[in-house]
Amino acid sequence: TQLLEQSPQFLSIQEGENLTVYCNSSSVFSSLQWYRQEPGEGPVLLVTVVTGGEVKKLKRLTFQFGDARKDSSLHITAAQPGDTGLYLCAGVRSGTYKYIFGTGTRLKVLA
Amino acid sequence: GAVVSQHPSWVICKSGTSVKIECRSLDFQATTMFWYRQFPKQSLMLMATSNEGSKATYEQGVEKDKFLINHASLTLSTLTVTSAHPEDSSFYICSALNRNEGLAGGRTDTQYFGPGTRLTVL
Repeated sequence: TQLLEQSPQFLSIQEGENLTVYCNSSSVFSSLQWYRQEPGEGPVLLVTVVTGGEVKKLKRLTFQFGDARKDSSLHITAAQPGDTGLYLCAGVRSGTYKYIFGTGTRLKVLA
Repeated sequence: GAVVSQHPSWVICKSGTSVKIECRSLDFQATTMFWYRQFPKQSLMLMATSNEGSKATYEQGVEKDKFLINHASLTLSTLTVTSAHPEDSSFYICSALNRNEGLAGGRTDTQYFGPGTRLTVL
C-alpha cells in the first residue's frame, strides 16, 4: 500500500515555466523530506520540514508542509534544465524513523 | 553535509553466485542504516533496516536468507545477495540515519543516501 501519493507522475515543461509537485497522504507525519534523484545515483536531500504550515525556500524551490502535516508541496520557479530529475517525498511517522516514500514525480525541463 | 558511500557502484555476476555490497557513513556514526531496492522509473522500496550490533529487520516479502545484512560497526553495513538470479538484478541503495537534536529538544532524524549499486545478474 502506497501511503504517499505524488502528483503529477510525469511533467515535461519548457525552461522558465513554473511548476508545483504535490505529496499527499491520509497519515500524519512528524517530518517530511524532499529528495531529488538523477539516473544511476542515490537521492539527494533537498529539505526537511517538521512544523505544520512550515515554508522553506531553497533558491528557486519553495517547500510547504501542510497545516495538518499530512501533505506537502514543492514549487519551482523559472525551471531550468538542471532541475530535471526524479523528485521524491518521504514521510516519517511519530515513533519511528522509517521513511515512507512517495510514488515519485519525474520532471523534465526542456531548454 | 553527511556523506554515505557504496561499493561497488556496479557489479555484473553469473547466476548462482553471491554478491556483497558495502555501505559506509563517512563523517558520522549510524546505528541504523537502511537498504532499498529501486526498479527502473519507480520509487524506492524499503527492504530492511540494519541495526548495529543486532539482527536486521526485514520488510514483509523480503527473504532474510536471500538478502543477508550485517552491521558490524557504526559506519558500515553490508548487504549480501546470496545465490543471485536474474530477477535480483536491480539498483540497490543504502541510507544511513543521522540523528539530530532539533529545536526545543525535538528530533529531526534524516536519512542520507549512498550513490547506489547497479546489480546485473546474467
